Amino acid sequence: DTAVSQTPKYLVTQMGNDKSIKCEQNLGHDTMYWYKQDSKKFLKIMFSYNNKELIINETVPNRFSPKSPDKAHLNLHINSLELGDSAVYFCASSHGGGTGELFFGEGSRLTVL
Amino acid sequence: AQSVTQPDIHITVSEGASLELRCNYSYGATPYLFWYVQSPGQGLQLLLKYFSGDTLVQGIKGFEAEFKRSQSSFNLRKPSVHWSDAAEYFCAVGANAGNMLTFGGGTRLMVKP
Repeated sequence: DTAVSQTPKYLVTQMGNDKSIKCEQNLGHDTMYWYKQDSKKFLKIMFSYNNKELIINETVPNRFSPKSPDKAHLNLHINSLELGDSAVYFCASSHGGGTGELFFGEGSRLTVL
Repeated sequence: AQSVTQPDIHITVSEGASLELRCNYSYGATPYLFWYVQSPGQGLQLLLKYFSGDTLVQGIKGFEAEFKRSQSSFNLRKPSVHWSDAAEYFCAVGANAGNMLTFGGGTRLMVKP
């Protein structure tokens, strides 16, 4: 079984659309994350979330919102997509306050036309 | 704020040769340091981590890294590179074990036969 799974793996859409990327982890972790990897492979934290606290990177536009229906899921919803949103989005999970090891999904490549 | 610099964007080594990937960090206190590897089309996998204690840490796949506080460095080494080591390598720093990680820009390793 895949530990951290994301869907879809590829997403192509038009500017102005709204889209979501889903993430599920079966590791029993209590903290989940979203990272954005741009075309130069630079990885940037977007959100950290557990059942108590959402930490938002202040540079993330408010068009991006995480939604967590339960502890094992953290979905990423993006409104009014822009060209600059094209990137690979990685979901990750960890034991909050534990070893600090992040377990990553395989990524979702978003292309905005 | 913490930051990580990986000075080498690309490195090419011959199979069987030794490898050293550089990582410099900026953080005011004792950092938590990590090396992750990303194979093409995949998520990131933890190679090794340093929290405290012995400054030379061993990881998976024959990798090791040495924490040098005086140089603010955490370089990754491997004595003999295999063709399967070709990938993107990311150094990361965290303020504590459970905090969001800040990643360096990555080093792409290519292995010549």
